Amino acid sequence: ELKVEQNPLFLSMQEGKNYTIYCNYSTTSDRLYWYRQDPGKSLESLFVLLSNGAVKQEGRLMASLDTKARLSTLHITAAVHDLSATYFCAVKTSYDKVIFGPGTSLSVIP
Amino acid sequence: DGGITQSPKYLFRKEGQNVTLSCEQNLNHDAMYWYRQDPGQGLRLIYYSQIVNDFQKGDIAEGYSVSREKKESFPLTVTSAQKNPTAFYLCASSIYFRSGQLAQPQHFGDGTRLSIL
Repeated sequence: ELKVEQNPLFLSMQEGKNYTIYCNYSTTSDRLYWYRQDPGKSLESLFVLLSNGAVKQEGRLMASLDTKARLSTLHITAAVHDLSATYFCAVKTSYDKVIFGPGTSLSVIP
Repeated sequence: DGGITQSPKYLFRKEGQNVTLSCEQNLNHDAMYWYRQDPGQGLRLIYYSQIVNDFQKGDIAEGYSVSREKKESFPLTVTSAQKNPTAFYLCASSIYFRSGQLAQPQHFGDGTRLSIL
């Protein structure tokens, strides 16, 4: 059964600093997603990563995928307060289920 | 604009009562999903459906039922067998993954908050 883990679960960082969120998954998958959720709101898609070595960037966020290591990273560059949210990675199984990680709650402090 | 509509936004359930959460999409997506989110937790898959008249159990299907009679609609019934139904319920849809290599994410509705009276 596919398990998805995220590290760390809680992250408090100062504005202007860099940090990386890690997403590990337990079985082979050909698709990994990153989502953002603001408090009390639904999920917003950030990135879809399809292949080994894929890298995507949007603003201060950059996501990468290593399918051999079953690892994805979400790198935050020069954090700003607006990035405070919960970030989820999700992985598609061979049976088309999409399983989510527990989420990383990010708080950016001025 | 295309999107996913969930209703109601807030729902209260009495003891022993079944309640149904609505999810409608006009994105022409084949696949639809129901997730449950507890406070401070991630999303757990309840049921999903890849095509009309077919659906599969997710990781926490007990106490829930679904139907998929139309492509646009995937209602979720929370039965009285679900003893702890208080949660935020999210519906999502996507293209059917095997229909191509498009890198499309799931689209989510705004959610329904269910509480016990």
